[in-house]
Amino acid sequence: EVQLVESGGGLVQPGGSLRLSCEASGFILSDHHMDWVRQVAGKGLEWVARSRNKANSYTIEYAASVKGRFTISRDDSKNSLDLQMNSLKTEDTAVYYCARTSYSGGWYSDYWGQGTLVTVSS
Amino acid sequence: QLTQSPSSLSASVGDRVTITCRASQGISNSLVWYQQKPGKAPKVLIYAASTLQSGVPSRFSGSGSGTDFTLTITSLQPEDFATYYCQRRDSYPLTFGGGTKVEIK
Repeated sequence: EVQLVESGGGLVQPGGSLRLSCEASGFILSDHHMDWVRQVAGKGLEWVARSRNKANSYTIEYAASVKGRFTISRDDSKNSLDLQMNSLKTEDTAVYYCARTSYSGGWYSDYWGQGTLVTVSS
Repeated sequence: QLTQSPSSLSASVGDRVTITCRASQGISNSLVWYQQKPGKAPKVLIYAASTLQSGVPSRFSGSGSGTDFTLTITSLQPEDFATYYCQRRDSYPLTFGGGTKVEIK
């Protein structure tokens, strides 16, 4: 059974740092692109970052809103996807989801974690 | 940019519901539809604009290509009251539409 479990969320002051982790199980992590997606309470979904799969050399993409502050990384040997968040702003407050991407004639996110809440506040 | 409309709608069980998603530039068929219920992660319904994800009821369908896309629910069921999002998958950033909240009339 495919499972994604996020952890690491919490309360942090503006300007601070936080590291989120996503533990993957039930599939081969290196075969899949992986994303972080966030959602402010009561608002819509925002794609944050992408780690491509091994076949695509683990290359990375970021949303403009987090580029230079957030770093996505993975350790396939530990079945783990991370998001290092630095220089946090109040507008980064959101639930953060990790999501697996699959392809079958089109790309889509077929499995999502339960989310972890990040609150940036003084 | 993806523009979803309407942002919300009220409908009754058994109604036919149509949600549209318009891209600011052509994205071929690289569009996904998700359903999200309160406190839950999104769930994929449709990918490649019109392909039904395994396990999703056939009352859900998607159509469109280029800039204009549609999600249709042919006979709304109680469990379909949720928020629906489109997402482009052709290039970065992988933008989501603003969402359409489907409420009980």
